[in-house]
Amino acid sequence: AQSVTQLDSQVPVFEEAPVELRCNYSSSVSVYLFWYVQYPNQGLQLLLKYLSGSTLVKGINGFEAEFNKSQTSFHLRKPSVHISDTAEYFCAVSDPRAGNNRKLIWGLGTSLAVNP
Amino acid sequence: DTAVSQTPKYLVTQMGNDKSIKCEQNLGHDTMYWYKQDSKKFLKIMFSYNNKELIINETVPNRFSPKSPDKAHLNLHINSLELGDSAVYFCASSPTGGAGYGYTFGSGTRLTVV
Repeated sequence: AQSVTQLDSQVPVFEEAPVELRCNYSSSVSVYLFWYVQYPNQGLQLLLKYLSGSTLVKGINGFEAEFNKSQTSFHLRKPSVHISDTAEYFCAVSDPRAGNNRKLIWGLGTSLAVNP
Repeated sequence: DTAVSQTPKYLVTQMGNDKSIKCEQNLGHDTMYWYKQDSKKFLKIMFSYNNKELIINETVPNRFSPKSPDKAHLNLHINSLELGDSAVYFCASSPTGGAGYGYTFGSGTRLTVV
C-alpha cells in the first residue's frame, strides 16, 4: 500500500522569495506522482505529474518538482512566488498497476501563504 | 464552457432531509469520481464510475447512493442527512486509465447540515 506525507502543514513566505513544499511517499512499487493546487473556494487543479523519464518535471504557473527515488521524495519548488500562489497544495501518488481501479492516495495538504 | 460542473454550489439543509448533487463533464472522459473534503481539507474518495459501472466504492454509509445515467453524468444522492455530512463534495473525471492522466475537478458543492 502507498502513503503520502507532506512534511509541512503550513508554509508562510514573502512575495518573490523561493519556496519548496516537501512531499515524501512510501511504496514498495513504482508510483505515479502528482501535485495539485486548490485556490480558495475552488476545486483542485493539476500542477504537474511524474509518470516516468526525466526526474525534473515542469508544471504550470512556474512550478517544478523533482522525483528522487532513493529518498522517495517529490518536492515542489518555485523560484519566486506571487501573492496569487496563496493556496492549498496537495501531493498524491497512484499505483500504475491498478488499471481502472487506480485511485490517488492523497497527502494532507500544505497551506502556502504568500505575504507582501 | 465549464469542463466539470456541479450543482448546486451551496446547499444548506436540515438534519434528516434527503438531497442530491449533480455533476456533468464535457471532456469525453470515461471515469468519474466523488470526493469528500472535510473542514481540515482532508480528501477522501467515495465512489468511482467507469462507463456507468461502479469500480470504486469506499467505506461510505449506505445513505450515500451514486448514480451514473451515462458516462458524462454522475449524481450523488444522500438520505437522512446528518451533521457529520457537512463538507465540500467534489466531482472529478479522468480518461480511462484513471489517475495517470490526472483528474479534472469541479468547483465543489459546499453542504451544510444544520
